[in-house]
Amino acid sequence: GQQVMQIPQYQHVQEGEDFTTYCNSSTTLSNIQWYKQRPGGHPVFLIQLVKSGEVKKQKRLTFQFGEAKKNSSLHITATQTTDVGTYFCADNTGGFKTIFGAGTRLFVKA
Amino acid sequence: DVKVTQSSRYLVKRTGEKVFLECVQDMDHENMFWYRQDPGLGLRLIYFSYDVKMKEKGDIPEGYSVSREKKERFSLILESASTNQTSMYLCASWAGANTGELFFGEGSRLTVL
Repeated sequence: GQQVMQIPQYQHVQEGEDFTTYCNSSTTLSNIQWYKQRPGGHPVFLIQLVKSGEVKKQKRLTFQFGEAKKNSSLHITATQTTDVGTYFCADNTGGFKTIFGAGTRLFVKA
Repeated sequence: DVKVTQSSRYLVKRTGEKVFLECVQDMDHENMFWYRQDPGLGLRLIYFSYDVKMKEKGDIPEGYSVSREKKERFSLILESASTNQTSMYLCASWAGANTGELFFGEGSRLTVL
């Protein structure tokens, strides 16, 4: 069935360093979504990418969708302690059924 | 402000008990979902519903059932709780294909002893 693989599982960074998480699929995706879950919280939608090669920015966050629509990345520039949490990519290719990657947990040391 | 409300934040049940987890959304969304979240496994889809009285199995439906009698309410039922169902359960409703956004509740942490 649908599956998205996400790496790395964990990432420790010093505040101010950059961070990237990657999401890969063996099949072509219609779209890719990204969510953030703060410790103790619930996932919150960040963005949806639909077009091949699409790049979107939200302040220090940059989201990319691969040309073949089989991979995606989330890059955070100059991390802050408020970036701490788990970042999930999600595949909505099946229509209204959303399948999540395992997530990348980001730790930021001040 | 959109809202998905789960009835219980924390529950402790004994093996074999019947457990009801309730979820209500106020956004008039047609599609609702139940996920469970376990460390290292991300969010796994248990069941979803695209209309009243309609339901579809997700990836891990075994040991669970659901009920959708009203559009705003989606319940997850554990007929006979087992220790391997100790987990965080997250309900979500879907805003539709335009944004694709899922709105999540705060989660229900279930411990089965």
